[in-house]
Amino acid sequence: QKEVEQNSGPLSVPEGAIASLNCTYSDRGSQSFFWYRQYSGKSPELIMFIYSNGDKEDGRFTAQLNKASQYVSLLIRDSQPSDSATYLCAVNMEYGNKLVFGAGTILRVKS
Amino acid sequence: DVKVTQSSRYLVKRTGEKVFLECVQDMDHENMFWYRQDPGLGLRLIYFSYDVKMKEKGDIPEGYSVSREKKERFSLILESASTNQTSMYLCASSLGWGGAVDTQYFGPGTRLTVL
Repeated sequence: QKEVEQNSGPLSVPEGAIASLNCTYSDRGSQSFFWYRQYSGKSPELIMFIYSNGDKEDGRFTAQLNKASQYVSLLIRDSQPSDSATYLCAVNMEYGNKLVFGAGTILRVKS
Repeated sequence: DVKVTQSSRYLVKRTGEKVFLECVQDMDHENMFWYRQDPGLGLRLIYFSYDVKMKEKGDIPEGYSVSREKKERFSLILESASTNQTSMYLCASSLGWGGAVDTQYFGPGTRLTVL
């Protein structure tokens, strides 16, 4: 069974802090990795993807990938109350188009 | 911008009814997907399609069927709705390069309640 694991949270951080969200995956051959944000009652929206080892930055968001450790993370700098949502990690575990999703981490940013 | 639309935001049906959920994308994407999302279980893939009239089973296809007669439209069918099919249903589409990175874009979702 190909799996993507996330801590369900909630992860609580104060406004302005760095939020660190983590994800591990089971398939060593995984190709690409996605972070989605989902507000309550809404559908997932893409934040960013990463496919090479290392860091990728987009505004306040940084994705980090370590394929050797089968670990991907999302850092949110200067966290805002509007960042409060569920963050879904998704992994492309086969060459092709299917994604396997983690169950998500609930983030709460306190003002 | 990619636009994925779904026919209903909320739907209430009775046990045994045949239910159609429709999804339309306007970006000429090759691939389309149907997921259901339940608390604590995340998104689970029901069916997907990588071409017109083509379909592939996902992880939980039992009790569902799909239809893709046109490239832009992907329908999910519950042949005989049951209470355990009460869920949020999400449609997604992706370009379908066949490469390592193929981003999926989601529709707004349909919250289905089966009584």
